Amino acid sequence: DAGVIQSPRHEVTEMGQEVTLRCKPISGHNSLFWYRQTMMRGLELLIYFNNNVPIDDSGMPEDRFSAKMPNASFSTLKIQPSEPRDSAVYFCASSPTGGWDTIYFGEGSWLTVV
Amino acid sequence: GENVEQHPSTLSVQEGDSAVIKCTYSDSASNYFPWYKQELGKGPQLIIDIRSNVGEKKDQRIAVTLNKTAKHFSLHITETQPEDSAVYFCAAGPGNTPLVFGKGTRLSVIA
Repeated sequence: DAGVIQSPRHEVTEMGQEVTLRCKPISGHNSLFWYRQTMMRGLELLIYFNNNVPIDDSGMPEDRFSAKMPNASFSTLKIQPSEPRDSAVYFCASSPTGGWDTIYFGEGSWLTVV
Repeated sequence: GENVEQHPSTLSVQEGDSAVIKCTYSDSASNYFPWYKQELGKGPQLIIDIRSNVGEKKDQRIAVTLNKTAKHFSLHITETQPEDSAVYFCAAGPGNTPLVFGKGTRLSVIA
């Protein structure tokens, strides 16, 4: 079975540019999560969705970050404008049970903002 | 909310020795405790989990123990091999909100 699919795997962009990260969750999973991983902060939950509805976005660091889930099989995380401190690995994950049980991670999108 | 502390942050062991990683949690309502392994350049992958109704679970060379009274759980890896080198994350599930992760332990197995 296909796991969580993220794109792009690697992105290098200039400060001020818009960045869009994409995610396809595992089919049949009804919860989707966006995490950011840095050396300093570890894995931070940015936002999660249940049945395509955003439930908690308190982890989104600034208004420059936004996330959407237009349907059960697709989500985006957008950063506009991007800044060097946004450089990190962004993981999408999905879960069949609302996220307070096993969650399955994608391979991550490695973002570098120069 | 839930808070998960993980120790040590780095761990080096000789091949064949055992490795132990410990986590504590704060919310007594947490009832699900998974462990994830993250290899270089990849996403975290679930390797073992335990629920609050059991005290220990084993899967070949890895085992997890849970002490609900003390609110701590541990990952034990026996007969370590170089391919066990990775970052390991513990997490706790309070049951009504998403998993809360520890900061991770970087395990190095020296051949």
